[in-house]
Amino acid sequence: GNSVTQMEGPVTLSEEAFLTINCTYTATGYPSLFWYVQYPGEGLQLLLKATKADDKGSNKGFEATYRKETTSFHLEKGSVQVSDSAVYFCALGSSASKIIFGSGTRLSIRP
Amino acid sequence: EPEVTQTPSHQVTQMGQEVILRCVPISNHLYFYWYRQILGQKVEFLVSFYNNEISEKSEIFDDQFSVERPDGSNFTLKIRSTKLEDSAMYFCASSEMTGLQETQYFGPGTRLLVL
Repeated sequence: GNSVTQMEGPVTLSEEAFLTINCTYTATGYPSLFWYVQYPGEGLQLLLKATKADDKGSNKGFEATYRKETTSFHLEKGSVQVSDSAVYFCALGSSASKIIFGSGTRLSIRP
Repeated sequence: EPEVTQTPSHQVTQMGQEVILRCVPISNHLYFYWYRQILGQKVEFLVSFYNNEISEKSEIFDDQFSVERPDGSNFTLKIRSTKLEDSAMYFCASSEMTGLQETQYFGPGTRLLVL
């Protein structure tokens, strides 16, 4: 069945460091891929999405490219800020109704 | 910007009691969903709902659960007789259309604690 695997956290970085959170997926068909973010005490917010192979989703300095050949959708940011501290979820559209989420990666940024 | 809202933000209940979790989806959205996240675990799909019918449900969504759109704005999840293992964060989501490529927009969640 469809599934998403993302790197385990927590990930702790210093401010202005480069961020990569790895995500790989298994899917049939051509689903969209998503990154959702959950800030402390808040709900899930869509961070970015990509709908087909080689698409790049981007938002707030974050980027991820839909790589069909490696079945990956790694999240990157060139220079993280303290305000980026949150839990990040990789996800895919698994059916007409359902999104499948990865286990989440907690990111902490030190000033 | 329109958003999905959920009430209450926290609910504590005794095992065996009924709870109703409420959601107001984005106003022009037609498709509604419930997910849950047990502490420390993945966000899991429970059910999807369209045109006053369940479209898809997971194996978690057994006879103890039901969903309803009681009026033009609310979407509810009822748990008839809560168990300890129902303790989780419950997220409501909505989308304008459906499909593998459609974006679902999530509410802030209701944290349910069953004692």
